[in-house]
Order: sequence, then C-alpha cells, then structure tokens
Amino acid sequence: AQSVTQPDIHITVSEGASLELRCNYSYGATPYLFWYVQSPGQGLQLLLKYFSGDTLVQGIKGFEAEFKRSQSSFNLRKPSVHWSDAAEYFCAVSDSWGKLQFGAGTQVVVTP
Amino acid sequence: KAGVTQTPRYLIKTRGQQVTLSCSPISGHRSVSWYQQTPGQGLQFLFEYFSETQRNKGNFPGRFSGRQFSNSRSEMNVSTLELGDSALYLCASSFEREFNEQFFGPGTRLTVL
Repeated sequence: AQSVTQPDIHITVSEGASLELRCNYSYGATPYLFWYVQSPGQGLQLLLKYFSGDTLVQGIKGFEAEFKRSQSSFNLRKPSVHWSDAAEYFCAVSDSWGKLQFGAGTQVVVTP
Repeated sequence: KAGVTQTPRYLIKTRGQQVTLSCSPISGHRSVSWYQQTPGQGLQFLFEYFSETQRNKGNFPGRFSGRQFSNSRSEMNVSTLELGDSALYLCASSFEREFNEQFFGPGTRLTVL
C-alpha cells in the first residue's frame, strides 16, 4: 500500500531564510508525487508535481523539489521564504487511478 | 477559466440528519474526487467519479455516497450524520484521471452538533 510520511509537523523559519520540508513515500511502482499548500480556510493549491524525467522539479512561488528514488524522498525547498509562505504543506503520492494519499502535513510559521 | 467551486461553503447540521454537498469542476474536467479533512485523520480519500461512474472508493462507511451528473458536476451525500463527520470536505477535479493532476476547490466546512 502506498503511504507518505512528513516527519516534521511544525517548522519555524525566519523570513529570508531557506526552507526544506521533508517527504518520504512508500509505493511499489514509479510514483506520481505532489506538493500542495493550504492557507487557513482555503483549499489545496498545487505547488509542483513529479511524474517522470528530470528529478529536480520547479514549481510555483519559487519552490522546487527533488525526487530521490534511492531514498524514497521528495523534499520541497525554497531558497528564501516570504511571510506569505506561512501555511500548511502537504506531500502526496498518487496511484495510477488518481487516488491521492496525503502526508499529515507540515505547518510552516514564518517569523520576521 | 473558473476554478472548482463548492457549495455551500459552510454548513451546520445536527446528529442524525443528512447533508448534500455540491461540487462544480473546472470546465472540461471529467474526473471529480472527494476528500475529507479532519485534524485527527488528516486528508482522506472518499471517492472518485469519472464520466458519471464511481471508479474508486476509500474506506468510508456506506453513509457516505456520491454521484456525478452528465455535466460532470458532482454531489456527495452523508446520511445519519455523526459528530465525527464534522470536517472540511474538499472536491478536486482533473481533466483525465491518467494525468493525476487534481485541482481543489475551497471546500465545504461541515459542523455536526
């Protein structure tokens, strides 16, 4: 069965500092991987996705993620965070039928 | 292009009642999925419809049901509401299931008293 682990429930980062959110997945075949962001009271917005090809994926809002098959990881990074990046971030893996399995989420707090 | 819309945005019901939530996908999208989000269980898949057929179902009791219309709009119904059904219900649409890129609506916040 597929599963996703986000080891960090909560991360605090200073504005302008770099951010890395960890994601580990378990999936038998080649995974379809996603990062979503959710602001309070809002739905989920897709930041980026990995289906195949280049293992470094660029997304919106200056985010990128790197797929590492050997480590079963798909970590999300941003070189310099902005106060507007404060939100909850979800990593997800999809099977070929389109069913998304989400991690528990990482709450990001940005301090001045 | 308009995004995924969900109605109503907020709903308050009492135990034992039933509720129907509506989702209008992005124009041209034929796949609609539903997810439940709670603080305790996180985001959980409910079911997915494609061209009016349920193609995938999560591990939820039969009280949770859904349907999809010919215009791809979808509804989900929860009967005999329980306190634990209080959650944010999210709808997502995609053009083709194979692309697996789903676009989410803002959700319906259901509170069961």
